[in-house]
Amino acid sequence: GAVVSQHPSRVICKSGTSVKIECRSLDFQATTMFWYRQFPKQSLMLMATSNEGSKATYEQGVEKDKFLINHASLTLSTLTVTSAHPEDSSFYICSASFGGGVQEIQYFGPGTRLLVL
Amino acid sequence: DAKTTQPTSMDCAEGRAANLPCNHSTISGNEYVYWYRQIHSQGPQYIIHGLKNNETNEMASLIITEDRKSSTLILPHATLRDTAVYYCIVLTGTASKLTFGTGTRLQVTL
Repeated sequence: GAVVSQHPSRVICKSGTSVKIECRSLDFQATTMFWYRQFPKQSLMLMATSNEGSKATYEQGVEKDKFLINHASLTLSTLTVTSAHPEDSSFYICSASFGGGVQEIQYFGPGTRLLVL
Repeated sequence: DAKTTQPTSMDCAEGRAANLPCNHSTISGNEYVYWYRQIHSQGPQYIIHGLKNNETNEMASLIITEDRKSSTLILPHATLRDTAVYYCIVLTGTASKLTFGTGTRLQVTL
């Protein structure tokens, strides 16, 4: 299957700092990438949909000024958590759509665990 | 997108077939059934998807009932590495947003 990578896999930062997470599709071009967040013992929650060359579409309740998404190329999307606080500590996962047409499949990255102290 | 219902948890002995059910009684004609799984502390992994015919790949088989109101994911010979949360998701297959429910936690035991 298609491969999606994320970097870093784990990050610890101080409250008030910003953290950037990269998501790359390694062997395919992804017009659309998605960002999810998962708190302990909960399911994944979609944060935003990112289309190459255009502004991201955020889900209700997700602050677009706090979670900045850039999708500058067909293989790279970045999520920046600005002025992170302890409540932003979570598991952040990206996915990229592959295949196009009627039966697109989302392939997921391995996730980034963020801990804000 | 149609809502799905799955059992909260299931156990399966290693080497035996794991049959994971999913109910999607409100599925519409253009909606596909997708299955993903998430092993602890990893990103979800695509398993299989189908519209109305049964499907099989190297990971699993998907059996969809004739009325399409339910389906079963079959792992033919479960191993310990198949221990994960399995998600059944119904959606139209054009870059739609995936909505993850609570899924089924499958525990494969020796």
